[in-house]
Amino acid sequence: SQKIEQNSEALNIQEGKTATLTCNYTNYSPAYLQWYRQDPGRGPVFLLLIRENEKEKRKERLKVTFDTTLKQSLFHITASQPADSATYLCALAGMRFGAGTRLTVKP
Amino acid sequence: DTAVSQTPKYLVTQMGNDKSIKCEQNLGHDTMYWYKQDSKKFLKIMFSYNNKELIINETVPNRFSPKSPDKAHLNLHINSLELGDSAVYFCASSQEPGSLSEQYFGPGTRLTVT
Repeated sequence: SQKIEQNSEALNIQEGKTATLTCNYTNYSPAYLQWYRQDPGRGPVFLLLIRENEKEKRKERLKVTFDTTLKQSLFHITASQPADSATYLCALAGMRFGAGTRLTVKP
Repeated sequence: DTAVSQTPKYLVTQMGNDKSIKCEQNLGHDTMYWYKQDSKKFLKIMFSYNNKELIINETVPNRFSPKSPDKAHLNLHINSLELGDSAVYFCASSQEPGSLSEQYFGPGTRLTVT
C-alpha cells in the first residue's frame, strides 16, 4: 500500500541551528513533491514545490531536496527562528499528505 | 480579502443531525477540494472538483455529499452525523488539478459531534 512517512512527530531545536525534516514514501512515483507549513488552528500554507528532475530547491532560508532513488525528500530550515515553530507537511501527488512534523525552535 | 473562506468556523451538533459547511474562493481557481484532518492531525483528501465536475472521490461514506454550484463554491453536506465525523474540515483550491499547482487552504471548520 502507499505510504508517506515523516521522520518524527516532533522535533525540537535551538534557535540559529538548522532544522532537517524528512519525508519518505513507498509505492508512489511522484513527479512532484510539495511542502506546506501549518500553524495551530489554521490551514496549511504552501512553501515549496520540487520536481523529480530537480535535486534541490531553495527559497530564502528554506531548502528542499528530492531523491527519487531513495524515495525521500529532505526539508531544511537554516538559521532557524522561534517564528519557524509550526507543523510541516509533505505532500505527494498534490493531495497525499504526510502526518507532519511539529517543529519547535527554542530561543 | 480572504482567498478561501469557510463557514461556519465551529460547528457543534448531535449525532444523527444533518449539517452543511460552505466554502468560497475568490482566486479564480478551477479546482477545489475538501480535506478531513482528524485528531492525529492527519490530513486526508475527500473530494476534488474541477470546473464544477467531481474528479476525485476518495473512500468516503455516502453520507458526505459535496456540491459545487459554480467554480467559486464547494459545499459539503453531511447526513446522519456520527461521532467519528468529528474533525477539522478544510476546503482548498488550486489553479488546476494535479500536484503542480499549489493549494490554498481555508481556515478550517471544526466539527464536533456529541
